[in-house]
Amino acid sequence: NAGVTQTPKFQVLKTGQSMTLQCAQDMNHEYMSWYRQDPGMGLRLIHYSVGAGITDQGEVPNGYNVSRSTTEDFPLRLLSAAPSQTSVYFCASSLNRRNTEAFFGQGTRLTVV
Amino acid sequence: KQEVTQIPAALSVPEGENLVLNCSFTDSAIYNLQWFRQDPGKGLTSLLLIQSSQREQTSGRLNASLDKSSGRSTLYIAASQPGDSATYLCAVSRSNDYKLSFGAGTTVTVRA
Repeated sequence: NAGVTQTPKFQVLKTGQSMTLQCAQDMNHEYMSWYRQDPGMGLRLIHYSVGAGITDQGEVPNGYNVSRSTTEDFPLRLLSAAPSQTSVYFCASSLNRRNTEAFFGQGTRLTVV
Repeated sequence: KQEVTQIPAALSVPEGENLVLNCSFTDSAIYNLQWFRQDPGKGLTSLLLIQSSQREQTSGRLNASLDKSSGRSTLYIAASQPGDSATYLCAVSRSNDYKLSFGAGTTVTVRA
């Protein structure tokens, strides 16, 4: 099994550009989530989904959109990139909301200039 | 709001020494606690998951304890090896909504 796959691994954006970070899992997990990791800080939850068609905001949702049209895919969209969004982004999945043993992707390192 | 703290932020030990990593959290109303390992430039790998009703979990050289009442967890790694060099993060799942709150991690270097 591939687990959780994120693309791209690296990306440089100019301020104001938009882009989509892709995340796919092949474990038939209900729960998927996006985090950002900044130096000296713990991972912070951006958005999450408890199943296809259901999404909700996390701790730091501003500037990001998500959708969950299938169980497998959970893309994260940056609407108008800002330097404050420079970070490493991780997608994670778990069997369901309560079974929180989480499986993480390899991350996307995003730089906004 | 759940605050998770890991101290120290970094430590360096000689090979063979036992590692003791600490994690503290402010709200004892947790569902479970997980320890993760993160290698440079990589994602997180789950090491151990402790349910709130458990006191400890063991896997090979790893042992994690949980004291919910005092808001503390400790990860022990016996007989450390250079391959144990990584950043170790703890994360707490809240009992009301199961969301994970992460500590910033402890970066471990094991010297050969």
